[in-house]
Amino acid sequence: EIVLTQSPGTLSLSPGERATLYCRASQSVSSSYLAWYQQKPGQAPRLLIYGASSRATGIPDRFSGSGSGTDFTLTISRLEPEDFAIYYCQQYGSSPITFGQGTRLEIK
Amino acid sequence: EVQLVESGGGLVKPGGSLRLSCAASGFTFRSYSMNWVRQAPGKGLEWVSSISSSSRYIYYADSVKGRLTISRDNANNSLYLQMHSLRAEDTAVYYCASPVAVGGFWGQGTLVTVSS
Repeated sequence: EIVLTQSPGTLSLSPGERATLYCRASQSVSSSYLAWYQQKPGQAPRLLIYGASSRATGIPDRFSGSGSGTDFTLTISRLEPEDFAIYYCQQYGSSPITFGQGTRLEIK
Repeated sequence: EVQLVESGGGLVKPGGSLRLSCAASGFTFRSYSMNWVRQAPGKGLEWVSSISSSSRYIYYADSVKGRLTISRDNANNSLYLQMHSLRAEDTAVYYCASPVAVGGFWGQGTLVTVSS
């Protein structure tokens, strides 16, 4: 099983700032099958990034993903008030599918 | 527009059973694998089970193996999760999740509470 470790656990930033979230895998993620999801309170997760760097439909271009192998990054270039949420990485290249424990992005 | 609507959650006693359903629309359901993912109150996301498009390949998390059974009805665009021998630790919101290939959409979830 591929274990995903996200860091930091909590990130406190202000609107307008840049956010960088990390996801490290215990072994190489097959074909960069790495996704990022955003979850707000009381809502289902929403896909932001798939294939490590491709934006899902309708996702603003301030969200970008990068990385390969075992190290992946989600960057939000300029935070908007609606971006404060919990973010999860997920690998879907090998079974079982696994998620990171999440990074909480909070308003400073 | 992809839509996934779960139903069937509720309060059940330890050792009890429940059957969750997910009605899918807006994509060619029969062509894609599907997943169940759960989230315990205040916790992160936990993958539960996956089923291939033809039901040939089925996978379970170790935590539910032997107690939960995933199935699908491609004629009716429906996904199911039969749950037996439920435990307190199965208490969670259960989400039906489509694969990344169709946009990675999730349903709104259905709450399963296991308590005496």
